[in-house]
Amino acid sequence: QKEVEQNSGPLSVPEGAIASLNCTYSDRGSQSFFWYRQYSGKSPELIMFIYSNGDKEDGRFTAQLNKASQYVSLLIRDSQPSDSATYLCAVKRNNAGNMLTFGGGTRLMVKP
Amino acid sequence: NAGVTQTPKFRILKIGQSMTLQCTQDMNHNYMYWYRQDPGMGLKLIYYSVGAGITDKGEVPNGYNVSRSTTEDFPLRLELAAPSQTSVYFCASSSNRDNYGYTFGSGTRLTVV
Repeated sequence: QKEVEQNSGPLSVPEGAIASLNCTYSDRGSQSFFWYRQYSGKSPELIMFIYSNGDKEDGRFTAQLNKASQYVSLLIRDSQPSDSATYLCAVKRNNAGNMLTFGGGTRLMVKP
Repeated sequence: NAGVTQTPKFRILKIGQSMTLQCTQDMNHNYMYWYRQDPGMGLKLIYYSVGAGITDKGEVPNGYNVSRSTTEDFPLRLELAAPSQTSVYFCASSSNRDNYGYTFGSGTRLTVV
């Protein structure tokens, strides 16, 4: 089992819809969870982080964390073609210092 | 505030050649990392450093070496380049404060022919 798993996609949604991206992790002691967006040919950029169970909202983005079920998700409301990118989930595991473990990423395509 | 700066942005190497990928950060971050990303794949950790003078292997260290003589600089050395090292290389840094992720450099696209 991979430490951080994501469906590679592509996930295709129409413009204006809600895109739901999911991530599961294996280390139950993981502390913090991050979502990065990576446009083709560019470096990853941090969108959000979450460390408490529940929802965290920032503009059109909502991160959801369920530690009991060991999953974290990212919802993108009112999806735009400019949201088309690969979304990387990253987990800061317990006793791993400052290290992040990355999932393989989910490619999102938002169609006009 | 430049963040994380990587040079060069592109490079073509011949098999057996060597080169150094440069990485500099100006955020006074203790932690620095080198990742490679193959097409359509996730990030694989090559080496990391928790401070000046301290480095350690990541998931895929073979064929690479690093040094960390200062807080700012974390160069990655490729010895005897092989086609399997064709990839995009990202340097990243982070502070030791909780809930701060990595800041990535813009990447180096390396082709070994």
